[in-house]
Amino acid sequence: DAGVTQSPTHLIKTRGQQVTLRCSPKSGHDTVSWYQQALGQGPQFIFQYYEEEERQRGNFPDRFSGHQFPNYSSELNVNALLLGDSALYLCASSLVGAPYGYTFGSGTRLTVV
Amino acid sequence: AQKITQTQPGMFVQEKEAVTLDCTYDTSDQSYGLFWYKQPSSGEMIFLIYQGSYDEQNATEGRYSLNFQKARKSANLVISASQLGDSAMYFCAMREYGGSNYKLTFGKGTLLTVNP
Repeated sequence: DAGVTQSPTHLIKTRGQQVTLRCSPKSGHDTVSWYQQALGQGPQFIFQYYEEEERQRGNFPDRFSGHQFPNYSSELNVNALLLGDSALYLCASSLVGAPYGYTFGSGTRLTVV
Repeated sequence: AQKITQTQPGMFVQEKEAVTLDCTYDTSDQSYGLFWYKQPSSGEMIFLIYQGSYDEQNATEGRYSLNFQKARKSANLVISASQLGDSAMYFCAMREYGGSNYKLTFGKGTLLTVNP
């Protein structure tokens, strides 16, 4: 049973560029959340998608946007990259209505130079 | 607003001994859940244990147990019989179930090192 799959695993981008990160949820899950984890910090909630809609958003600028597809997979897009966007981006999937049972992927490590 | 505090940046333990990782939380909700995750150097967040605010018994999962003290707003993780493979970052997290909240709020983590 495949868990959460994220791609790519590593990425290097230049300031000002745009990036797209991808996430395939665990089989049977219908909700996808994205987190940003800066070096030495705990993950910070970016947003959650359910039924192809953004259901909740954390304290992140509009440069961060997302999408969920009918097969429940999701993309995180970041525009106008800043050096401070360098982080590990984690995707977590879950089943709506379940109070817990979040499954995380291994993340995409983004470096902005 | 929900908040998680982990005051131990690093902890050391000898193999086969028990260790307690501290976590305190702040919330005004009556209904919430507390989570512990392990993050090895690979980056994946591995779920360890969950405690609901209305659960009367402390949660246990194998070698992991959660010492839940609601009045003190603490949810410490106890790892018994530590193994070398337990060396990793450990994060405490919380979700409030009131309103339209679906996010997990994490602490800054504790780096556990198990010595042979």
